[in-house]
Amino acid sequence: SQQGEEDPQALSIQEGENATMNCSYKTSINNLQWYRQNSGRGLVHLILIRSNEREKHSGRLRVTLDTSKKSSSLLITASRAADTASYFCATVFTGGGNKLTFGTGTQLKVEL
Amino acid sequence: GAGVSQSPSNKVTEKGKDVELRCDPISGHTALYWYRQSLGQGLEFLIYFQGNSAPDKSGLPSDRFSAERTGGSVSTLTIQRTQQEDSAVYLCASRPKSGAQETQYFGPGTRLLVL
Repeated sequence: SQQGEEDPQALSIQEGENATMNCSYKTSINNLQWYRQNSGRGLVHLILIRSNEREKHSGRLRVTLDTSKKSSSLLITASRAADTASYFCATVFTGGGNKLTFGTGTQLKVEL
Repeated sequence: GAGVSQSPSNKVTEKGKDVELRCDPISGHTALYWYRQSLGQGLEFLIYFQGNSAPDKSGLPSDRFSAERTGGSVSTLTIQRTQQEDSAVYLCASRPKSGAQETQYFGPGTRLLVL
């Protein structure tokens, strides 16, 4: 399987703290994307980083990509209770068509 | 505008029965994907349609699974002779145009339970 690994599997923090999630993958990619899922239903796209990019920001989100280590991280700054969700990285592999290959996910809980 | 819609939201069926799951992509999106999310396997790709090209069926787990996309819009995923291991959330996504750099937009999913 080409599924990526994410760590931690679960993360519990206090509101206002930063949350960092990591993703590793196995083969060359075209891009890597981060998605959020609430209550086990639809996925919401958060941010896309291309293979030739190293860092990208969107609001309170910061994504880094290290293609030499085949890894990415998602940082959520100043977390809020509403950020509680599962977060998945997903990659589009070089030569893998346009389908997404998902990581195992990180369950984030932000407590008041 | 309207997002990706899926129906039914929930489906309970008996082992051995056939089920059909429907996906209405965002209007104008040429690419459509089906994924499955289950406890044991996580999120996995099933099938991909792009315009009039032959679909990429490489993720379908068995020949009991099939999908079609009529008129380049609505798609139906059919599971024949359902098994308990087919229980999962089936997610549909669409993408605006060809190319690997574009975002996929997901529907709310259909939760399938096979008894």
